[in-house]
Amino acid sequence: DTGVSQNPRHKITKRGQNVTFRCDPISEHNRLYWYRQTLGQGPEFLTYFQNEAQLEKSRLLSDRFSAERPKGSFSTLEIQRTEQGDSAMYLCASSSPLDSYNEQFFGPGTRLTVL
Amino acid sequence: AQSVTQPDIHITVSEGASLELRCNYSYGATPYLFWYVQSPGQGLQLLLKYFSGDTLVQGIKGFEAEFKRSQSSFNLRKPSVHWSDAAEYFCAVALMDTGRRALTFGSGTRLQVQP
Repeated sequence: DTGVSQNPRHKITKRGQNVTFRCDPISEHNRLYWYRQTLGQGPEFLTYFQNEAQLEKSRLLSDRFSAERPKGSFSTLEIQRTEQGDSAMYLCASSSPLDSYNEQFFGPGTRLTVL
Repeated sequence: AQSVTQPDIHITVSEGASLELRCNYSYGATPYLFWYVQSPGQGLQLLLKYFSGDTLVQGIKGFEAEFKRSQSSFNLRKPSVHWSDAAEYFCAVALMDTGRRALTFGSGTRLQVQP
């Protein structure tokens, strides 16, 4: 069990550019979650996948944000036309299909800085 | 909407002293409750969880938490703090009876440990 991995760990971009982050969940986990964490705050939920289906989206997920999980394994989160307010830590988590209690395992996150 | 409150933004304790971190939630039913710890540069690690049954739950690293329905609280405790416990601690809830899988986090409590 290698845990949840996220790439890149850090991303610096200029305002207006597009960025894409990748998350690889724990191999047997069919549920995958994205959260955003700004400085001094707890993580805020963005979206949730069960297998390849995106089942839940937060109002925080504006039109500039899109998440995919095409084969039900890894997921990507893309932010188009980045804004300085997008600067945050983006966290990915996964959970097991055998778990009925929603225990989520988190990756180390991708820290985005928008200049 | 449900909410999670961690009233203490920052706590400093001496090594070897006891610790209690407060967490209150606002929700009509009993949610699933979690405590996570986040060290600098690390992802969120689950310390313990409560779903039902015994209201005192044991977790990893010597932590325990007590669920009090009458107070809508789920406070985290440790009898003797170690310097390595310095980190940020987050309380989270999941409203499984709504079918939603998103975790709602508090804003966190930063723990500093003095030698």
